[in-house]
Amino acid sequence: GQNIDQPTEMTATEGAIVQINCTYQTSGFNGLFWYQQHAGEAPTFLSYNVLDGLEEKGRFSSFLSRSKGYSYLLLKELQMKDSASYLCAVTPGEVNTGFQKLVFGTGTRLLVSP
Amino acid sequence: DAGVIQSPRHEVTEMGQEVTLRCKPISGHDYLFWYRQTMMRGLELLIYFNNNVPIDDSGMPEDRFSAKMPNASFSTLKIQPSEPRDSAVYFCASSHRGSHQPQHFGDGTRLSIL
Repeated sequence: GQNIDQPTEMTATEGAIVQINCTYQTSGFNGLFWYQQHAGEAPTFLSYNVLDGLEEKGRFSSFLSRSKGYSYLLLKELQMKDSASYLCAVTPGEVNTGFQKLVFGTGTRLLVSP
Repeated sequence: DAGVIQSPRHEVTEMGQEVTLRCKPISGHDYLFWYRQTMMRGLELLIYFNNNVPIDDSGMPEDRFSAKMPNASFSTLKIQPSEPRDSAVYFCASSHRGSHQPQHFGDGTRLSIL
């Protein structure tokens, strides 16, 4: 089976830094995605990791450790508009179901307060 | 460029009725995905297509659900007969070939079965 765990909720203050963790246990691994989803809207792509290490994109960074089955999303200089759910998703890459299939975690709801 | 287009945005219908959800993927994308999102279960993959051919339908809940992709620019998800437990937000997404390619989501259809 596939299992992806994230904290359900987190709170942080405007201007601060927050780290959202994701651990996974999947039948295979071909990459990990982070998506942002504002309430009532569609998920939008934030980052992709397939190799160990840190990928930086402006205020957002994503880290991957394949040996530990672990990733985190780091948000710096938090803004009110960062209040949203953050979804971790893994591509297990099974031959019988293809290499495009994504398995999502249930998401972490982040609330940024003034 | 136009994104993934879904219709209708909202649907309210009575139990037992047939429901048809529609999706137009981004032009040139090889893959199309149907997801269901609920508070309890998060974002679940129902079925996905590659070049109009279904690849993995293991997430389709039961025989009441069916999906088709008659051509590269159109897909439908049907529920017949509908039940109250089918109430959820249904998202369609599309992507280019490649496990590193992000999926682009439509705005979703919010379905309520009374």
